[in-house]
Amino acid sequence: DAGVIQSPRHEVTEMGQEVTLRCKPISGHNSLFWYRQTMMRGLELLIYFNNNVPIDDSGMPEDRFSAKMPNASFSTLKIQPSEPRDSAVYFCASRVDLNTEAFFGQGTRLTVV
Amino acid sequence: TQLLEQSPQFLSIQEGENLTVYCNSSSVFSSLQWYRQEPGEGPVLLVTVVTGGEVKKLKRLTFQFGDARKDSSLHITAAQPGDTGLYLCAGENNQFYFGTGTSLTVIP
Repeated sequence: DAGVIQSPRHEVTEMGQEVTLRCKPISGHNSLFWYRQTMMRGLELLIYFNNNVPIDDSGMPEDRFSAKMPNASFSTLKIQPSEPRDSAVYFCASRVDLNTEAFFGQGTRLTVV
Repeated sequence: TQLLEQSPQFLSIQEGENLTVYCNSSSVFSSLQWYRQEPGEGPVLLVTVVTGGEVKKLKRLTFQFGDARKDSSLHITAAQPGDTGLYLCAGENNQFYFGTGTSLTVIP
């Protein structure tokens, strides 16, 4: 398996534009997480899916952020409209079940100018 | 809300020295994991501890889970430059949260 695959690796966009980040979890993994990492706030949990169903989205900053998981092999995180303060590295991670290892993608570095 | 506080936040030591990183919380966790993250990459799992008081060793790294399952420590013996990285603890508590992180630099 190629591991968790995220795209794009880097994204530079202008303020106000829509941004879509993509994630392909490891096959057979039932849980998927989206995290945001910044120097100031560390690694923050944004949303967590289990069996494609959003379980907890309390970490999503505001209504500008939305996440979907239409099937077991694909998830998106959308920001609309984007703002400079959204600049961060966004990670997707998947795992088989509770208390098991979480496998991370390489992240998407988002810069909003 | 940050449930897991790590200390120190930054640590710079000479090769060969020992160090301990702490991960503390007021919450009880069913398990706790330690990850290491290198620049440009996602975190990678080092160990999972499940039982209160549990101690696990991974070469020069020793991990301990507190008796009450609220805290954990990571001790590195004779640190090497290859140990440089960001160390993150992560607790399982109906959710999966990461700590604030400890950035370790080992100087040759």
